[in-house]
Parts: sequence; C-alpha cells; structure tokens
Amino acid sequence: EVQLVQSGAEVKKVGESLKISCKGSGYDFSTYWIAWVRQVPGKGLEWLGIFYPGDSDVRYSLSLQGQVTISADKSINTAYLQWSSLKASDSAIYYCARHINWGDGYFDSWGQGTLVTVSS
Amino acid sequence: SSVLTQPPSVSVAPGQTARISCEGDNFGSRPVHWYQQKPGQAPVLVLHDDSDRPSGIPERFSGSISGNTATLAISRVEAGDGADYYCQVWDGTTDHVLFGGGTKLTVL
Repeated sequence: EVQLVQSGAEVKKVGESLKISCKGSGYDFSTYWIAWVRQVPGKGLEWLGIFYPGDSDVRYSLSLQGQVTISADKSINTAYLQWSSLKASDSAIYYCARHINWGDGYFDSWGQGTLVTVSS
Repeated sequence: SSVLTQPPSVSVAPGQTARISCEGDNFGSRPVHWYQQKPGQAPVLVLHDDSDRPSGIPERFSGSISGNTATLAISRVEAGDGADYYCQVWDGTTDHVLFGGGTKLTVL
C-alpha cells in the first residue's frame, strides 16, 4: 500500500526557518515525482512545486519561486519543503502528493497534511 | 496564465445526478483529473484522464469533456458525496499544475 506520512503541525514566528517532511512507503520512492500543495483553511488547492528523487529534478510554481525550497533524500524515502524566513501569509495546510506521469499526470496518493501556523 | 473555472457551489437532492463543471482555455488534448476533499481530510483522486476511475471509486462517478468544459457527474448522489471537488490539469505552456477553484457539493 502506498503511504505518504507527513511531519506534525508547526507553530512558528515570522522570520523563522522551517523544514517539513513527507515520508513515502510501499513503492519505489526514486521513480515517482512528489509534489507539494498548499491550502489556506477554507480556500482552494495551490500547487507549489514538484521534485523527482531519481535525479533531483525540481520545478517550482513561478509565484512561489525563491520563497520555498523542495528537496528529498531518497536514501530515507523522504521529501522536504523548507522556508528560510517565514511570513504570516505562509500559514496554511501543506500536502505532499505522489504524481503519476509528470506533464499530463495526476496525484494518486496524498499525505495527511501538515498545518503550519506563523504568527507575528 | 491559464485558469480553471468551477462553480463555487452545487446542490442536489439524494438520488439525483450532480454535475460539476470545470472550464479552461487550454484543455485541447490535455487530460483533466478530479479530486474529492471532505472537511478535515486530504484530497482523494476520484477520476483521472477525463473519465477513468481509480480502484475503489464507485461507478456512480463519471467524467466527460466538451470543448473547453470538463464535467464530473455523480449519479444517484448519496449524503456521503457531500464534499469539495477540484479539477486539475497540467499547463504545458508554463509547466505548471493547475487546480480549479473548487466546488462545494451540498446534498440536500
């Protein structure tokens, strides 16, 4: 069974750094793209970017580029989303999701979500 | 950039058919995918490649494309189908994944 298990909720202050994780199991982690999707509570889904653990290829949403870093450690089947300096507007639920067939593909498995709260 | 437009809400009585639309300007040959999200839960894939159902998704869920509009249809709607539904495509021009704004399905 494919599973994506994310790290727990975080409460941070503006300007702090943060790294959240997503551990995959039940499949060959290196051979599937893994994406991060943001959702402000009560709002819609927003794609942030995607990473291919096999060769470390990464793509970012142009609206977010430079604000977050997506990476992965394929030796421990874990993907990461990190911020160097959080803003209040980064408060949201962050989902990781496995992507099938980059390009025209879809997300077939999702993590449970990580709630990030940033206060001033 | 491309935008996917969904109606904010759709209401339907139990047993009837719900239809949720997703209008875009770049479908062309691009496949459309649909997700269901219940309160407090992660999204779940309900249709991929316009009309294919993943394992475990009831046959009541179906999809179609006509011109620039994709439609998710849920027949014989049940109370448990009440959720937010999102369409998704890939924008080949920007190499971005796009989501529609979401539609809240209310079962009356």
